[in-house]
Amino acid sequence: DIQMTQSPSSLSASVGDRVTITCRASQGISNYLAWFQQKPGKAPKSLIYAASSLQSGVPSKFSGSGSGTDFTLTISSLQPEDFATYYCQQYNTYPLTFGGGTKVEIK
Amino acid sequence: EAQLLESGGGLVQTGGSLRLPCAASGFTFSSYGMSWVRQAPGKGLEWVSAISASGGSTYYADSVRGRFTISRDNSKDTLYLQMNSLRDEDTAVYYCAKLPDGSGRPETFDVWGQGTMVTVSS
Repeated sequence: DIQMTQSPSSLSASVGDRVTITCRASQGISNYLAWFQQKPGKAPKSLIYAASSLQSGVPSKFSGSGSGTDFTLTISSLQPEDFATYYCQQYNTYPLTFGGGTKVEIK
Repeated sequence: EAQLLESGGGLVQTGGSLRLPCAASGFTFSSYGMSWVRQAPGKGLEWVSAISASGGSTYYADSVRGRFTISRDNSKDTLYLQMNSLRDEDTAVYYCAKLPDGSGRPETFDVWGQGTMVTVSS
């Protein structure tokens, strides 16, 4: 199985900060990488697919990059509604696997 | 707007069974693969199972293979998860999710339901 490792597991940031989250795959997955946002008590929301393509309706402050084994999610200017947990997911092969999550908290 | 609505969750005894339906609307259900993803209390996301648009191909996580069965009824726009021999560690919120492709190949999820809670306890 492909293991997905996210870092950091949590971070504290202020409104307006630029935030970067890293996701590393245990083997190459090309660009078959997605990112999700989840708020407490809510279902995950799809943000990015194919490593860097924004889902419809997702604001451009979110961006993704990477290929192979190393990927990043960047939030250009953190807003109050962005405080949440973020997950990466590989879809190169079954079983589909997720990273452990990164909780973004208010400083 | 594509929407998914899970139901059927609840409290079940260890070793028991439960079937979760997921009703789809707002898109051509029979054209897309579907999946189940779960989340144990306070934990991360875990993929459970996927099915192709036709239902002809199914895929499972090792943790549920042989105990859970994914199926779909395209005439009713409904996805199912039959869960047998339930264990305490199956306790989780179960989400159904739509795949952007119908082939059954590995994919990500573009639409999620709100989830249904399954609690397994002796």
